[in-house]
Amino acid sequence: GAGVSQSPSNKVTEKGKDVELRCDPISGHTALYWYRQSLGQGLEFLIYFQGNSAPDKSGLPSDRFSAERTGGSVSTLTIQRTQQEDSAVYLCASSLLLAGGLDTQYFGPGTRLTVL
Amino acid sequence: AQRVTQPEKLLSVFKGAPVELKCNYSYSGSPELFWYVQYSRQRLQLLLRHISRESIKGFTADLNKGETSFHLKKPFAQEEDSAMYYCALSGLANFNKFYFGSGTKLNVKP
Repeated sequence: GAGVSQSPSNKVTEKGKDVELRCDPISGHTALYWYRQSLGQGLEFLIYFQGNSAPDKSGLPSDRFSAERTGGSVSTLTIQRTQQEDSAVYLCASSLLLAGGLDTQYFGPGTRLTVL
Repeated sequence: AQRVTQPEKLLSVFKGAPVELKCNYSYSGSPELFWYVQYSRQRLQLLLRHISRESIKGFTADLNKGETSFHLKKPFAQEEDSAMYYCALSGLANFNKFYFGSGTKLNVKP
């Protein structure tokens, strides 16, 4: 079946503009994660959704970042007043939550954000 | 603080040689450890996780709680193993957060 999809694949924006990144998880996956990968760095955890709820938002780097998930499916990561340091690849992953714990995380292809 | 350290940015070995990618972690609770792999132009994908105790593509990893390590090993490297490898950690009973290392690029030379 279809994997995790993300849009847009590339986004170039000017400093100070708002951007919206979208993630379509695998159907039925209750867990959804957002990560940021800056050049030469590992993945930085941003936020986790269980269903539509995000129990812990402390991973978001600043109050310019917000995320929501609706219908237990699509999620949107919004960055307001973008800064050059926001330039990175933003990855989304989804997974099933099983009685015994977390199943495999399936990653999307990422959105490459460039802030000029 | 919760942290995953991969000390090697790049590891080059010849085909057929043993390979070990190092991963050390710091975690205050009971950890679940993972190795993820990203082949060229492909998505990040799970290679193996400690709780499954599986061997995938000839790779194994042993959790050493005393040394807080989860090194990835393969006795005979293949050219197709060339990729970026990331060690990751979450709570054994709490998957609210994941911590990833900075990754090791494995280059297997013919």
